[in-house]
Amino acid sequence: EAQVTQNPRYLITVTGKKLTVTCSQNMNHEYMSWYRQDPGLGLRQIYYSMNVEVTDKGDVPEGYKVSRKEKRNFPLILESPSPNQTSLYFCASSSRPYREGDTQYFGPGTRLTVL
Amino acid sequence: ILNVEQSPQSLHVQEGDSTNFTCSFPSSNFYALHWYRWETAKSPEALFVMTLNGDEKKKGRISATLNTKEGYSYLYIKGSQPEDSATYLCAFGPGNTPLVFGKGTRLSVIA
Repeated sequence: EAQVTQNPRYLITVTGKKLTVTCSQNMNHEYMSWYRQDPGLGLRQIYYSMNVEVTDKGDVPEGYKVSRKEKRNFPLILESPSPNQTSLYFCASSSRPYREGDTQYFGPGTRLTVL
Repeated sequence: ILNVEQSPQSLHVQEGDSTNFTCSFPSSNFYALHWYRWETAKSPEALFVMTLNGDEKKKGRISATLNTKEGYSYLYIKGSQPEDSATYLCAFGPGNTPLVFGKGTRLSVIA
């Protein structure tokens, strides 16, 4: 089954404790991205990757890191989480970048709470 | 800053009613317009990707139109059913920056 998986689905942590949210897709997609969803705001892109070893900042990259060492995986790293990073996070992938109009497949979401 | 507006913010309709909502986006530098359906506790699911002015797409009882010159897209649902209850997101894809999402229209269909 074609899918995007994220782990963990739920996480409560404390300020300053490094964490990683994993994202994996099994569709051989080149393009992957991370979004956050906050009440009253649309989905906002954090980082995206056009291919292995190619990553770029989205709209709200501050406080986040990513890596793309393999095509299928695109982990999101919070080196020193803060309460303003409490949010619902989605990973997404597509076979072509958004510019070419290809649909994105979203993961199930990770609800993160930073105390 | 690119802005994508969706209206209405929320909508309650009776089962069987037809309904529509709007996505407005900048009319310059257009590349693609995406519609997603997002059910509570699930992830957004793609409905349509539209790239050409005048595009019309249909999937069952749901259809969408696109006007890139005036910067809007309509999503129509014919004969709404309770399972259509969800948030409908549109996202605008300009040619040189990431997708910009609207805040969504939350649809509730009452049986």
